[in-house]
Amino acid sequence: EVQLVESGGGFVQPGGSLRLSCAASGFTFSAYEMNWLRQTPGEGLEWVSYINSGDATTYYSDSVKGRFTTSRDNAKNSLYLQMNSLRVEDTAVYYCATKVYGTTYFDYWGQGALVTVSS
Amino acid sequence: QSALTQPASVSASPGQSITISCTGTSSDVGSYNRVSWYQQHPGKAPKLLVFDVTNRPSGVSNRFSGSKSGNTASLTISGLQAEDEADYYCSSFTSTRIFYVFGTGTKVTVL
Repeated sequence: EVQLVESGGGFVQPGGSLRLSCAASGFTFSAYEMNWLRQTPGEGLEWVSYINSGDATTYYSDSVKGRFTTSRDNAKNSLYLQMNSLRVEDTAVYYCATKVYGTTYFDYWGQGALVTVSS
Repeated sequence: QSALTQPASVSASPGQSITISCTGTSSDVGSYNRVSWYQQHPGKAPKLLVFDVTNRPSGVSNRFSGSKSGNTASLTISGLQAEDEADYYCSSFTSTRIFYVFGTGTKVTVL
């Protein structure tokens, strides 16, 4: 059974940093492209970042580019999202999700991690 | 990049059919057969229902079906059941730099 479990969410002040982790199991993690997405009541679902399964090429949405960094450790079956210079508008539930190479949809999602940025 | 437009809510009685629309532009829905649909129950993660406009992943009921015409994609739920009460989101690949755009979401209520 595919399982994705996010951790590391919490409360942080504007300008602060937080690191999310996503522990994967039940599938060959190294073979999958991985993504971070986030959801807010006001803005809905938003794609945040992507990392491929091969050379760890990454892409980011304009809203987080330069502030967030996605990485993966295939030996640990883990995905990470380092979030720096956090803003109030980054407040959201963050999901990690799988994507097969060549497809444009997200097969499996984790249960989400809440990040709250507030003073 | 604006979100894809969906009706805020749709309701119907058990056994009836409903259709949720998802309107985009020629940069996303209109140009690619890369529309997917997700179901989300309260407090849960989204679940993939339909991909590439019409395809269902293994295990998804055939009561869920997708289609597309021009810049508008649609999800039809036939034989509505109580467990179908949830939020539904469409998504499309887009030629813009954000790669993926999501719909505004539709709350389905089973009366």
